[in-house]
Amino acid sequence: DAKTTQPTSMDCAEGRAANLPCNHSTISGNEYVYWYRQIHSQGPQYIIHGLKNNETNEMASLIITEDRKSSTLILPHATLRDTAVYYCIVRGETSNFGNEKLTFGTGTRLTIIP
Amino acid sequence: GAVVSQHPSRVICKSGTSVKIECRSLDFQATTMFWYRQFPKQSLMLMATSNEGSKATYEQGVEKDKFLINHASLTLSTLTVTSAHPEDSSFYICSAHRLGDSYNEQFFGPGTRLTVL
Repeated sequence: DAKTTQPTSMDCAEGRAANLPCNHSTISGNEYVYWYRQIHSQGPQYIIHGLKNNETNEMASLIITEDRKSSTLILPHATLRDTAVYYCIVRGETSNFGNEKLTFGTGTRLTIIP
Repeated sequence: GAVVSQHPSRVICKSGTSVKIECRSLDFQATTMFWYRQFPKQSLMLMATSNEGSKATYEQGVEKDKFLINHASLTLSTLTVTSAHPEDSSFYICSAHRLGDSYNEQFFGPGTRLTVL
């Protein structure tokens, strides 16, 4: 799986959009970008994933650059509950769904400021 | 949504004893379950991958005789830390892949905090 690079930490004001960048310059054609987050002392929570098109769900939007070498997770209206460590993970998809392990990097510690 | 539970949520034990941690998928069947360990201020490290009815696959450096994994059904996997020592104190987290999902999302449990005295 391709390596990802994320800033160590970020702050965002409550109510503003939080934009979390991720670099994955060695991503290959069949690799997806996944985002998870982990609130303190809890298990990680899936947020969103995408291949090359931008994706949006009830939690966030994922913007992937045309060359797919970087992406941005957007939390449109950050709340205090969004304070967490956000992990960007790149991994391939095969027909053997379910056996693909996730490799967590150090992630970005996002702090929402009241 | 898919819910994964872990029991116990917190356990304190004496050095040398064994501790069993359960991971259950409550509202779905899981083809594969994963066990992670997380030390303070560090990221999650995968320990092993388990499939129902077969032996677990351990990551390099993880002792299979110390961390026993049993995946007896499509909804239950257990991790037993045998002869626990203080250095085994950590946050243990399981995750599960839902049978039939066409992508590789994993659903995580809330974690079990183990403290070995």
